[in-house]
Amino acid sequence: KNEVEQSPQNLTAQEGEFITINCSYSVGISALHWLQQHPGGGIVSLFMLSSGKKKHGRLIATINIQEKHSSLHITASHPRDSAVYICAVRSENTGNQFYFGTGTSLTVIP
Amino acid sequence: EPEVTQTPSHQVTQMGQEVILRCVPISNHLYFYWYRQILGQKVEFLVSFYNNEISEKSEIFDDQFSVERPDGSNFTLKIRSTKLEDSAMYFCASSAGRAGYGYTFGSGTRLTVV
Repeated sequence: KNEVEQSPQNLTAQEGEFITINCSYSVGISALHWLQQHPGGGIVSLFMLSSGKKKHGRLIATINIQEKHSSLHITASHPRDSAVYICAVRSENTGNQFYFGTGTSLTVIP
Repeated sequence: EPEVTQTPSHQVTQMGQEVILRCVPISNHLYFYWYRQILGQKVEFLVSFYNNEISEKSEIFDDQFSVERPDGSNFTLKIRSTKLEDSAMYFCASSAGRAGYGYTFGSGTRLTVV
């Protein structure tokens, strides 16, 4: 069974703070996806990675395959970063589908 | 940037009715997927589709559901005889290859069964 756990479940930060969201998973994976979901419900892909680190603007995603762990970092957080951040993994033993975590709800206060 | 387009954005249907959710994947993508998210729960995989046939499906994807690529551009999810518990956000996704290159989600269709 593919278990994806995220922490924290909820996070409140002051504008400008550095934020870290963690994702742990229980099976060998071929890829990990970080996604953002806004209150309207739509999902936006932030990163897909299978090793190392990726950076896009103020967002940084890292993955440690051996430890089965990934982190999403947001530097200089802003109220517009408020959203649910979701980690999803693709098992190396199954098809192309992703298995999702329950998400981390981030609120950035001005 | 290429997008996966889903229509309608919100659909309300009577219990027992059939609904068809529509998706236009990115044009050069070959793999297509449906996911759903019941309110307050995590996103769950339903089905993947490649080369005009289902390649993987979850236990949620029972005989009530079917998928089709009726032409070169649309990818549809049909739900027969809808139940209250089918109320959810349904997401379509597509990718260019089996490795998941360019994996892109649509903005979702919120289905409400009354």
